[in-house]
Amino acid sequence: DIVMTQSPLSLPVTPGEPASISCRSSQSLVHNNGYNLLNWYLQKPGQSPQLLIFLASNRASGVPDRFSGSGSGSDFTLKISRVEAEDVGVYFCMQVLQTPFTFGPGTKVDIK
Amino acid sequence: QVQLVQSGSEVKRPGASVRVACKVSGNSVSDLSLQWVRQAPGKGLEWMGGFDPEDYEKIYAQKFLGRMTMTEDESTDTAYMQLSSLRSEDTAVYFCTTGPVYGDLNWLDPWGQGTLVIVSS
Repeated sequence: DIVMTQSPLSLPVTPGEPASISCRSSQSLVHNNGYNLLNWYLQKPGQSPQLLIFLASNRASGVPDRFSGSGSGSDFTLKISRVEAEDVGVYFCMQVLQTPFTFGPGTKVDIK
Repeated sequence: QVQLVQSGSEVKRPGASVRVACKVSGNSVSDLSLQWVRQAPGKGLEWMGGFDPEDYEKIYAQKFLGRMTMTEDESTDTAYMQLSSLRSEDTAVYFCTTGPVYGDLNWLDPWGQGTLVIVSS
């Protein structure tokens, strides 16, 4: 199975300041088609996960442009350019290169 | 636009079975590559199984083989996940989700609202 790790696991943030979360996989997530099969989700308290970034760097529909994803292979980053209060929750990365699909442990983002 | 609405919470005894429903709207259930993911209280996300559009078959995570069954009712556009021989460790919120319509399983979106299953004697 592909093991996903994230850092940090807890991230207190100041509104208006940037934030960054790292996600690493135990093997490359590059598919034969050239895409990195890595997605980012935000799970707000009491809600289902919502897709933020797909294929490593593409913002999902309706996601504010302060969110960006980058990386390739086995090293990925989610950045929030200016954190807003509504961005609190747990951020997960997920690989869909091979089954079983696996998730990172999550990064809990809250306001300082 | 695809929407997924799940059935309500369940409380089950150890050893029993549970069936969670996922009603699809905006598309036919047969058009989707439905997946099931669960989340134990205060824990992370765990993929359980789903439909693989490349091989056109259902795939189950090893730990759920023999205990989990995914089915669909095309007449009502509803997908079901049944988990048998329940134990306390199966207490979790169960989510249905899907890949893109007709597409490869490159991401999962949208997600159902989740169904809480409590296993307790």
